[in-house]
Amino acid sequence: RKEVEQDPGPFNVPEGATVAFNCTYSNSASQSFFWYRQDCRKEPKLLMSVYSSGNEDGRFTAQLNRASQYISLLIRDSKLSDSATYLCVVNGMDSSYKLIFGSGTRLLVRP
Amino acid sequence: NAGVTQTPKFRILKIGQSMTLQCTQDMNHNYMYWYRQDPGMGLKLIYYSVGAGITDKGEVPNGYNVSRSTTEDFPLRLELAAPSQTSVYFCASISGVGNEKLFFGSGTQLSVL
Repeated sequence: RKEVEQDPGPFNVPEGATVAFNCTYSNSASQSFFWYRQDCRKEPKLLMSVYSSGNEDGRFTAQLNRASQYISLLIRDSKLSDSATYLCVVNGMDSSYKLIFGSGTRLLVRP
Repeated sequence: NAGVTQTPKFRILKIGQSMTLQCTQDMNHNYMYWYRQDPGMGLKLIYYSVGAGITDKGEVPNGYNVSRSTTEDFPLRLELAAPSQTSVYFCASISGVGNEKLFFGSGTQLSVL
């Protein structure tokens, strides 16, 4: 089993739609969780850290479900500019700072 | 601050050649990483370092070597380049305090022919 897994998509949604991605992780002791955004194989940029209580930043909401070992990202009112690949990051088994990326979920927002 | 600087941006190698990808950060970060990204895939961790003199293997370390003689520098060495090492390589760093973001270099596009 991979340490971090994501549905590759693509998710093809109209502008204004709400879309959600999940990311499962295998290390029950993981403590660090992040969502990154990547455009056209440029360097990834941090979208959100994911906290135990869940957190929201504008149209974006991140949740952590420790019991089922997954994190989620919800995007409301999708914009064309949200089209990108969304990568989850979780710390691996050996170290709190062994940061493992998922393979990414591609989002396409159409007019 | 320049952040994380990677060189070169592009390189073409012949099979069996060697090269070093340079990575420098000026933020005094303890933790540094090398990732590779193949087309259509996520980033795979090659090696990481938790401080000067300490390195550890990631998910795909075979065919690579690293060193961390200073806090600032974390070079990645390819000894005998193979076509399977054709990829985009990203260096990144994080200070190691709290829940915070990775700072990435702009990447190196490497082709092995």
